[in-house]
Amino acid sequence: KTQVEQSPQSLVVRQGENCVLQCNYSVTPDNHLRWFKQDTGKGLVSLTVLVHENDKTSNGRYSATLDKDAKHSTLHITATLLDDTATYICVVGDRGSALGRLHFGAGTQLIVIP
Amino acid sequence: VTLLEQNPRWRLVPRGQAVNLRCILKNSQYPWMSWYQQDLQKQLQWLFTLRSPGDKEVKSLPGADYLATRVTDTELRLQVANMSQGRTLYCTCSGTGGDNYAEQFFGPGTRLTVL
Repeated sequence: KTQVEQSPQSLVVRQGENCVLQCNYSVTPDNHLRWFKQDTGKGLVSLTVLVHENDKTSNGRYSATLDKDAKHSTLHITATLLDDTATYICVVGDRGSALGRLHFGAGTQLIVIP
Repeated sequence: VTLLEQNPRWRLVPRGQAVNLRCILKNSQYPWMSWYQQDLQKQLQWLFTLRSPGDKEVKSLPGADYLATRVTDTELRLQVANMSQGRTLYCTCSGTGGDNYAEQFFGPGTRLTVL
């Protein structure tokens, strides 16, 4: 059973618009949650990490929230650019150490059009 | 600065033939090295985490058999055998743990296609 569910599966927005990506998970324990950006044919690049109950983070045009009670996270992208076109992957770590397992969502494919 | 180098970057693999992948760590601050696979549906999955030279592990998943070896403090290898479906293999590195949320840094990946 998939432990990390992302929605929507894909999303098309016009340049300059804002968008919200969702992540629901059932991983236990949920030590931390990280959002990655994956450009086509490339590796994953970390955007932000959320650790504590009700964490909110901001990294430029990316901001994220975490609700550990609901096991839910959102990634907000404001004023989208063409370069934001990529797959955004939600990943939940079940331990803080390098031995921890990462549980991956299937990703949301974002396409930004002019 | 690139933390990981993977080679080859892509390979065509005749059905039934094994292939050997290498991952080189460029910064010893991140000694925990792992392999992840991404299938054709883009789903990522952890395979192995190996810390010490001499560590070896095997695993069989749908579509491929794996043997991972930590050769040295800076080199991790993966042998992929009996591959029936294409996939991309990512090497990652991470600092020592504890309770902090150690970030795993991803290499550029090796894309394998079955002939």
